[in-house]
Amino acid sequence: AQSVAQPEDQVNVAEGNPLTVKCTYSVSGNPYLFWYVQYPNRGLQFLLKYITGDNLVKGSYGFEAEFNKSQTSFHLKKPSALVSDSALYFCAVRDSGGYQKVTFGTGTKLQVIP
Amino acid sequence: GAVVSQHPSWVICKSGTSVKIECRSLDFQATTMFWYRQFPKQSLMLMATSNEGSKATYEQGVEKDKFLINHASLTLSTLTVTSAHPEDSSFYICSARDLRGTLGETQYFGPGTRLLVL
Repeated sequence: AQSVAQPEDQVNVAEGNPLTVKCTYSVSGNPYLFWYVQYPNRGLQFLLKYITGDNLVKGSYGFEAEFNKSQTSFHLKKPSALVSDSALYFCAVRDSGGYQKVTFGTGTKLQVIP
Repeated sequence: GAVVSQHPSWVICKSGTSVKIECRSLDFQATTMFWYRQFPKQSLMLMATSNEGSKATYEQGVEKDKFLINHASLTLSTLTVTSAHPEDSSFYICSARDLRGTLGETQYFGPGTRLLVL
């Protein structure tokens, strides 16, 4: 079975400071990993993904994430947070071994304080 | 690119009526579409997966006769909530994926439909 954990329900960061939203996963094979952002009453917007290749993945709006196989983590990062980054962030994983369902984490609410 | 639309964006209906929600991939052909339900301050719960031209695969605990899914074309899937009741009130989100093309593994989500059953 595959699973994904987002240990923090909420992360608060001051505007201009770096931000990190944590994600760890468990799959039996190689993982496909995704980050999505959701604004209130909206669907999810795709930010970035790791399929293969470089462990550091760069995505939309200045976000990046680092795939760490030994720690089974895929933390989302941004060097300088903006107030407009305040939203709900979801990490997701899918086992590359043909199982087609993506498992989503419980979400982390990011609050950027002006 | 990779835009998914949903219609309507919100709907209010009386208990016992049926509601149809449309999900369209606007600029790509979706080999697979997914329907999710999201409760307030909670993660997404996958309801069903549908491949174009075949029957949907429902997740455990989801009533297939209650939530009818049709994926008649590569750009359109519909979810019909039959005989809706207040407990069906929720935020329904669809997503689409095209494994054959350059979009690959990524699912692209619609903006969601807020359903309120009175």
